[in-house]
Amino acid sequence: QSALTQPPSASGTPGQRVTISCSGSSSNIGSNTVSWYQLLPGTAPKLLIYSNNQRPSGVPDRFSGSKSGTSASLAISGLQPEDEADYFCSAWDDSLNGPDWVFGGGTKVTVL
Amino acid sequence: QVQLQESGPGLVKPSETLSLTCTISGFSTSSDYYWGWIRQPPGKGLEWIGSVSHGGKTYYTPSLKSRVTMSFDTSTKDFSLRLRSVTVADTAVYYCAGLGLTGAETFDMWGQGTVVTVSS
Repeated sequence: QSALTQPPSASGTPGQRVTISCSGSSSNIGSNTVSWYQLLPGTAPKLLIYSNNQRPSGVPDRFSGSKSGTSASLAISGLQPEDEADYFCSAWDDSLNGPDWVFGGGTKVTVL
Repeated sequence: QVQLQESGPGLVKPSETLSLTCTISGFSTSSDYYWGWIRQPPGKGLEWIGSVSHGGKTYYTPSLKSRVTMSFDTSTKDFSLRLRSVTVADTAVYYCAGLGLTGAETFDMWGQGTVVTVSS
């Protein structure tokens, strides 16, 4: 079971806005920044968002991130067919068991 | 252009040791960046295994700490993963990644991943 909780699936038609949630705890999202990744089969995972809401160079501005308390969200505005992929959130966890990078279980986005 | 490439056996027998190498190209590894291994079992989410710095400092996820060793080879500019006493639960796509290579305080550059199956 993943330390961060994401919905298993989300969908939308081209042009729609899709939002993916990521729920954690005080030891991870509550005290550290959140990153989001896009995974396509057979390709290297791509960083979409870091530090809660920052986009790396080259990432379209239709991808945006936000964080509040122990939860975070990734929004895809103007959904495109090429956005059909798996999306994962991640954060550093200051666990009592030892430092740990934690991830969500992933959300499969389908473009209808 | 930074590139990371995983290599190693695609099939490992139960109880044996899984060994993977990540080759780094297009990036100066003289600075003390951290590099990591992350895996994705079939149908499951991503799992961080651990990280190693250019200077050899290591951090491992608590659940795998007793079976994992990572190292960085400054002469070949690659880093490695050894996972001992594997079981079928270690079957996964294994990714190597760089931490903060572009200034983002996260894993910002990844390899394409390599499939490792644990089976007799």
